[in-house]
Amino acid sequence: AQSVTQPDIHITVSEGASLELRCNYSYGATPYLFWYVQSPGQGLQLLLKYFSGDTLVQGIKGFEAEFKRSQSSFNLRKPSVHWSDAAEYFCAVGTYSGGGADGLTFGKGTHLIIQP
Amino acid sequence: DADVTQTPRNRITKTGKRIMLECSQTKGHDRMYWYRQDPGLGLRLIYYSFDVKDINKGEISDGYSVSRQAQAKFSLSLESAIPNQTALYFCATSDKRQGASGANVLTFGAGSRLTVL
Repeated sequence: AQSVTQPDIHITVSEGASLELRCNYSYGATPYLFWYVQSPGQGLQLLLKYFSGDTLVQGIKGFEAEFKRSQSSFNLRKPSVHWSDAAEYFCAVGTYSGGGADGLTFGKGTHLIIQP
Repeated sequence: DADVTQTPRNRITKTGKRIMLECSQTKGHDRMYWYRQDPGLGLRLIYYSFDVKDINKGEISDGYSVSRQAQAKFSLSLESAIPNQTALYFCATSDKRQGASGANVLTFGAGSRLTVL
């Protein structure tokens, strides 16, 4: 079965500094990879996704992520964070069992705190 | 109106009560899902449905049941609620018509916060 590990439960970053959130996955085949963001009191919003092709993917709000097969990683990056980026970030892996999608498997999340 | 609507948004109930959380969608997607979110545990899949006649258990289905009343409606029931079912519940949808990749892109509702006393 697939799994996702987000090693950092909390990360604190100063406003304007760069950000990298780590994600490692375990899956036997080529995965579909996602990053979602959850702002306080809100549902989850898709930031970006990787299905195939270029391993560096661009998302919304200035985020990007890089798929590294050799490291089973899909880390999320942003060059300069804004106070509005404070939120919970979830990495997820999707699978395709032939009959269709079985839903995403999520990591436990990383809580991002932005310092003024 | 939201693409995926969950009702109620908040509910406080007592142990042993029957609770139903409802989800409706206007996206025309064929697939619907129920997830549970607990602090520090992320989101875990409870049930998923590929169409009205195809319902599948997820990772943590014990204590829950679902009903897909129509393509647009998917409800989650707790027959006899217990305190450890206190959580934030999310409904989500996806669309197989866009292929395997599209089927994996989920659209989430805003969540239903359930407290069982």
